[in-house]
Amino acid sequence: GDSVTQMEGPVTLSEEAFLTINCTYTATGYPSLFWYVQYPGEGLQLLLKATKADDKGSNKGFEATYRKETTSFHLEKGSVQVSDSAVYFCALSSGNTGKLIFGQGTTLQVKP
Amino acid sequence: DTAVSQTPKYLVTQMGNDKSIKCEQNLGHDTMYWYKQDSKKFLKIMFSYNNKELIINETVPNRFSPKSPDKAHLNLHINSLELGDSAVYFCASSQGRDRVEAFFGQGTRLTVV
Repeated sequence: GDSVTQMEGPVTLSEEAFLTINCTYTATGYPSLFWYVQYPGEGLQLLLKATKADDKGSNKGFEATYRKETTSFHLEKGSVQVSDSAVYFCALSSGNTGKLIFGQGTTLQVKP
Repeated sequence: DTAVSQTPKYLVTQMGNDKSIKCEQNLGHDTMYWYKQDSKKFLKIMFSYNNKELIINETVPNRFSPKSPDKAHLNLHINSLELGDSAVYFCASSQGRDRVEAFFGQGTRLTVV
């Protein structure tokens, strides 16, 4: 079945460091890919998305490119802030059920 | 104005009790979901409704029963609560079902003691 694998966390960075969180997927068909963020004590917020190969999703300085050849959707940010500390989830949706399949989440801690 | 709202935010109850979690969305979406997040933060879908019709039931124990009185509401009733039911339950909604993003509520932290 479809699945998503994220790099293990936690990831600890200093403010203004470069961030990469790796995400790879397995899916039949052509899924849409998403990154969600969960701040402490809150629900999930959509951070960015890409719906087809080579699409780049971007929001709030974060970017991810849908790479069909490597089945990847890595999240990047050039300069992280303390306020970016959160849990980041990679997810895919395929078929027509609306079901999201999530990776295990990666905790990011940014220190001043 | 909250798009997807759940109540209550916290729920502490004893084993064996029956409890309900309510969810409402004001986005005009036609599909709603319940997801469960375990203690390791892993998220998994439980149910999905489209226009009040059950679409997905992911091998959830039948102690869990979703109910959708209309397309803006999806409630979750849990009978005979067990310790292992302790988790955060998220309601979500989407417009359509074809590889679209979902919008999530703030979650209900259920603790069974």
